[in-house]
Amino acid sequence: GNSVTQMEGPVTLSEEAFLTINCTYTATGYPSLFWYVQYPGEGLQLLLKATKADDKGSNKGFEATYRKETTSFHLEKGSVQVSDSAVYFCALSIAGNQFYFGTGTSLTVIP
Amino acid sequence: EAGVAQSPRYKIIEKRQSVAFWCNPISGHATLYWYQQILGQGPKLLIQFQNNGVVDDSQLPKDRFSAERLKGVDSTLKIQPAKLEDSAVYLCASRLSAPTDTQYFGPGTRLTVL
Repeated sequence: GNSVTQMEGPVTLSEEAFLTINCTYTATGYPSLFWYVQYPGEGLQLLLKATKADDKGSNKGFEATYRKETTSFHLEKGSVQVSDSAVYFCALSIAGNQFYFGTGTSLTVIP
Repeated sequence: EAGVAQSPRYKIIEKRQSVAFWCNPISGHATLYWYQQILGQGPKLLIQFQNNGVVDDSQLPKDRFSAERLKGVDSTLKIQPAKLEDSAVYLCASRLSAPTDTQYFGPGTRLTVL
């Protein structure tokens, strides 16, 4: 079946530290991969996406590369800020349907 | 551009009662989704509409949950009767049409079943 497994949290980092949140997937077809972010008190927002193998999605300094060989889509940022504190969700979809989300990773960045 | 609207934002009911949630997607968005997000978990897709037809409702507990999308615009999700385990945030999302289009989420309705 289809599923997403992401790194357990919570994660606490100091400002300007390097961030990696691991995400691996299992899919029966050719999925598109997404990272969503949920800031405190707000709804889910798309952070970045990649629709085929070796694509790199990027936004707001965050990056993730679609790795078919390792079935992974790890989220990275070189220097986190306090404003990046949020819950991050990895997700996949098959042909734009059948969306599957991971359990979320809570990130807290301290000054 | 207005976002996805949901109401109510919060609802508290007793078990065995009924409840309904309403969603108004972004204008022109053909695809509409309802998700259930239990505390500490990721969203789980309950049902997907394309215009007013159901594309996927394989994870909708049909003995107690129902959803409709009249005229391919607004949608309502109903739970009857509610159970304690239905306590969750119910999220509505919409998408323009193509598979690679972005999903836009509403703020959600937080349901507490006592």
